[in-house]
Amino acid sequence: DIQMTQSPSSLSASVGDRVTITCRASQGIYNYLAWYQQKPGKVPKLLIYAASTLQSGVPSRFSGSGSGTDFTLTISSLQPEDVATYYCQKFNSGQFTFGPGTTVDIK
Amino acid sequence: QVQLVESGGGVVQPGRSLRLSCAASGFTFSSYGMHWVRQAAGKGLEWVASIWYNGSNKYYVDSVKGRFTISRDNSKNTLFLQMNSLRAEDTAVYYCAREGGWNYGFDYWGQGTLVIVSS
Repeated sequence: DIQMTQSPSSLSASVGDRVTITCRASQGIYNYLAWYQQKPGKVPKLLIYAASTLQSGVPSRFSGSGSGTDFTLTISSLQPEDVATYYCQKFNSGQFTFGPGTTVDIK
Repeated sequence: QVQLVESGGGVVQPGRSLRLSCAASGFTFSSYGMHWVRQAAGKGLEWVASIWYNGSNKYYVDSVKGRFTISRDNSKNTLFLQMNSLRAEDTAVYYCAREGGWNYGFDYWGQGTLVIVSS
């Protein structure tokens, strides 16, 4: 089975900072990757699909890139409302494994 | 608007069974793949099971294979998860989620139903 890892597991940044989260698959998954945001006590929200396509209604400060085994989620200018845990998820071979998550908070 | 409403959670003893339901509305249920995802308290998301739009294909995470069964009734716009031989490690909030399309992601989620497996 393909395993998903994320780094870092947590980070603290200042408002306005550029934040980058990395997701790695143990085998190539083309662009079959999604990113989610989960705020404390809330349901996960789809941010990015097909590795780089922004879901409707998601602020443009969020972007995704990558293919194969290495992917990134970037927040171009961190806002207070972005405090959350971010998960990547692979979409292939009938297995939809999530990464372990990256918790983002404000310094 | 799209709505997914889970029900059926509760407290159950180890080894017993529970059936979760997810009532869908606001979209053509029979056109979408559906999934169950769970989250133990303070832990990350774990995909549990999926079913194609027409029920013809089903997939499971290894830890529930042979114990859980996903199914759907497209005439009633309802998704199910039959959970047998429950274990303490199955304790979690269970979400149903809609797969938005090919390589699209899970674009709508229910609010979740809590399953506690405890003696």
